[in-house]
Formats: sequence, structure tokens, C-alpha cells
Amino acid sequence: DIQMTQSPSSLSASVGDRVTITCRASQSISPYLNWYQQKPGKAPKLLIYGASNLQSGVPSRFSGSGSGTDFTLTINSLQPEDFATYHCQQTYSTPTFGQGTKLEIK
Amino acid sequence: QVLLQESGPGLVKPSETLSLTCSVSGGSISGNYWSWIRQPPGKGLEWIGYIYYSGATNYNPSLKSRVTISVDTSKNQFSLYLTSVTAADTAVYYCARDIQTSGWYIDSWGQGTLVTVSS
Repeated sequence: DIQMTQSPSSLSASVGDRVTITCRASQSISPYLNWYQQKPGKAPKLLIYGASNLQSGVPSRFSGSGSGTDFTLTINSLQPEDFATYHCQQTYSTPTFGQGTKLEIK
Repeated sequence: QVLLQESGPGLVKPSETLSLTCSVSGGSISGNYWSWIRQPPGKGLEWIGYIYYSGATNYNPSLKSRVTISVDTSKNQFSLYLTSVTAADTAVYYCARDIQTSGWYIDSWGQGTLVTVSS
């Protein structure tokens, strides 16, 4: 299995901040890296697919980048509704997810 | 917009078979890939497997010996069967639609259903 490691595991930030979440794969997976947002008690929601493609309807303050084994999710100008848990997923081989990054209000 | 809804028992006894069905509305099950994913309470997501509308399947090797996913195109449903369950199988189970044309990702999810394995 390809292991996915997210950092940090948790993060505190304020409305208006810019935050970056990192996901590292145990081997090269380009470009099969997706990002999801999950709020408590809800299903995940697709934000970014193929490392950098913004899913339709997702605000442009979300962006993804990276290649090979290292990928980032950036959220510009945090909004109150962005406080959630973020998961990366690789689909290069048998899909696996990162452990999640919980984004909390400072 | 496609909508997915999981249904099935919320409580399963150890060693028995977990059975869930996902009903798809707002779109056809044909032409698409359909997945099951689970999330133990307070933990991360685990992909279980997918089925193509034609019946072709792909399972997570870690669960392959216990998992079967089937599809009923006439009912616009697909189902998950997980045998010989233990407490470790307690989780919220999600059904979902995969997109495998421009990469591979999940663009639609059911709301999830909690299945508890306990006697």
C-alpha cells in the first residue's frame, strides 16, 4: 500500500488567514492526488482532484499543487465555513487516504 | 445532481455478514463506477472497493477475502457484503460515485450510515 502522511494533524487559524496543508506519499503518485473537506457528522466533499484541479462549485480560495510525492492544499483568506477536517487521497494504486488535518478556529 | 442513500442494519453481530445497499437517484447507475468507503469513529477513511455498472469489481486487498460488491441496474442500486465481521468493522459506511475519466476521484457521497458490530 502507498502510505499518505498529512501534516500537520491539527491546525489553529483565524478568519482571513492563509493556511497550507501538506500531504506526502510513500512513493510517486502524480497526478493522482485528491483533497476532500469533511465537517462533523457529514460525508467528505471533493475540493481538488488530480493534484490541482478545482472541483466545480468549490470557491477559488482553495488551491492544490505538487507533484511526485509532495502535495499541498492552500486555503486563502479563511472563511468561517472552512473550519473542518481535510483529507488527501491517492488513487495511483489501491486508494488510500491521509489521516486527516483538523482545521480549528484560533 | 446524483444523490446516494445507504440503507441496512445499524447493528450486526460478530461473525455475521454486514449488508448495505446504496440507492442512486437523480442519475443512472449505468456508465459509472460506484464505491464503498468506511470511517471508524474518530478515525480516517478507508476505501473498501468499487464496482463498475457492468459488474466488474476492484477490492482493497486488505478486505478482499471478506468483501463482495454487487450491482442491480434495474433498481439503480449497488450493495456491499462484508463477511465474518468483528468489532474492528464498526464504522460509518459511505457509498459514493467514482469518476475515472480524468484521473480517479469521488465526486458524490451518500450521507453515511453507522454500522456497529456488537453482540
